[in-house]
Amino acid sequence: EVQLVESGGGLVQPGGSLRLSCAASGFSFTNYSMNWVRQAPGKGLEWISYTTSWSKTIYYADSVKGHFIISRDNARNSLYLQMNSLRAEDTAVYFCVRDHGDPQGPHFDYWGQGTLVNVSS
Amino acid sequence: EVVMTQSPASLSVSPGGRATLSCRAGQSVGTNLAWYQQKPGQAPRLLIYDASTRATGMPARFRGSGSGTEFTLTISSLHSEDSAVYYCQQYDHWLSFGQGTKLEIK
Repeated sequence: EVQLVESGGGLVQPGGSLRLSCAASGFSFTNYSMNWVRQAPGKGLEWISYTTSWSKTIYYADSVKGHFIISRDNARNSLYLQMNSLRAEDTAVYFCVRDHGDPQGPHFDYWGQGTLVNVSS
Repeated sequence: EVVMTQSPASLSVSPGGRATLSCRAGQSVGTNLAWYQQKPGQAPRLLIYDASTRATGMPARFRGSGSGTEFTLTISSLHSEDSAVYYCQQYDHWLSFGQGTKLEIK
């Protein structure tokens, strides 16, 4: 069974940093690109970052470019999101998401349960 | 970014009925379109990809159709557990999501 379990969310002050982790199991992690998608309270889905299986290609949404960093440790079957210079508008549930693997483009076949990041003073 | 527009924003349908949800792309995305279902307090779940292919385990009463700029998700024989927000997402020009349609079964 595919499982994605996020951790590391919490309350952080504006300007602070946080590192999210996602532990993957039930599939061959090195065969899949991975993503982070977030959802602000009461809002829709926003894709924020993507990495290929060996981190050769990495993309970010403009909204987080320059202050978030995606990374992965294939030996630990883990995906990470380092979030720096956090702002109130970064408050959201952050989902770790597996890419379906369609060569046409990214879409998402498995999602974690999400971890809440609350940026507030 | 390709703007995805979903309609209606919300709808209410009786159990056993049929719901038709629409998604319009700002430019052609071919059939590179997915639909997701998100129940309250849960993560989204993939329903449909390639505009009309059901994801593993999705029942046949969920049907996706369309191509180019106009897409439809039709849900038949509605159950109370189908109450959710449904999102479309294109993946022809990188990716972008629609704003969602809230479906209420009552």
